[in-house]
Amino acid sequence: SQTIHQWPATLVQPVGSPLSLECTVEGTSNPNLYWYRQAAGRGLQLLFYSVGIGQISSEVPQNLSASRPQDRQFILSSKKLLLSDSGFYLCAWSVVFNQPQHFGDGTRLSIL
Amino acid sequence: GQQLNQSPQSMFIQEGEDVSMNCTSSSIFNTWLWYKQDPGEGPVLLIALYKAGELTSNGRLTAQFGITRKDSFLNISASIPSDVGIYFCAGQSRGTYKYIFGTGTRLKVLA
Repeated sequence: SQTIHQWPATLVQPVGSPLSLECTVEGTSNPNLYWYRQAAGRGLQLLFYSVGIGQISSEVPQNLSASRPQDRQFILSSKKLLLSDSGFYLCAWSVVFNQPQHFGDGTRLSIL
Repeated sequence: GQQLNQSPQSMFIQEGEDVSMNCTSSSIFNTWLWYKQDPGEGPVLLIALYKAGELTSNGRLTAQFGITRKDSFLNISASIPSDVGIYFCAGQSRGTYKYIFGTGTRLKVLA
């Protein structure tokens, strides 16, 4: 069966520091991969999605970037974190676009 | 842009009661999904709906894809304490890659 892993589970970073969050999927090949941010009490905002290695689409302009160096690996990065980058970051995968997305357990990012 | 209204925002219910929540969209969807999110975890898929009028069950949960394709509802029968959490709906239009998520219904069960 397929599994998705995200790490770290929680992260506290100072303003201006870099960021790297990692997501890996097991048990499937060539998945669609997604990064979401969830603000407290809000729904999920799609940040990036990827249909294959090296293929990244950005949904909203922001201080973050994404990369897909391997088929089942998706990385969320920033060179200099802002206070507004705080939130709960979720990685998800799907077989194809019109199939349900399955989420990891998320990373709670706090910026000080 | 597309909007998805989910109601109620939160609800307290007595253990054993039935629960109903719904989502309405400003546009037509071809797929409706329902997720549950526990604190500090990612959303878990409960039910997926692909056809207007479709009624699908998963244990004590039942969800329906509205005939107009602009709404969906989720029912939970005989609620138990582990039903506590946030329930999200998500909809997708044909030919798009994106799911639009509702803002969630926070369910709290009184034992």
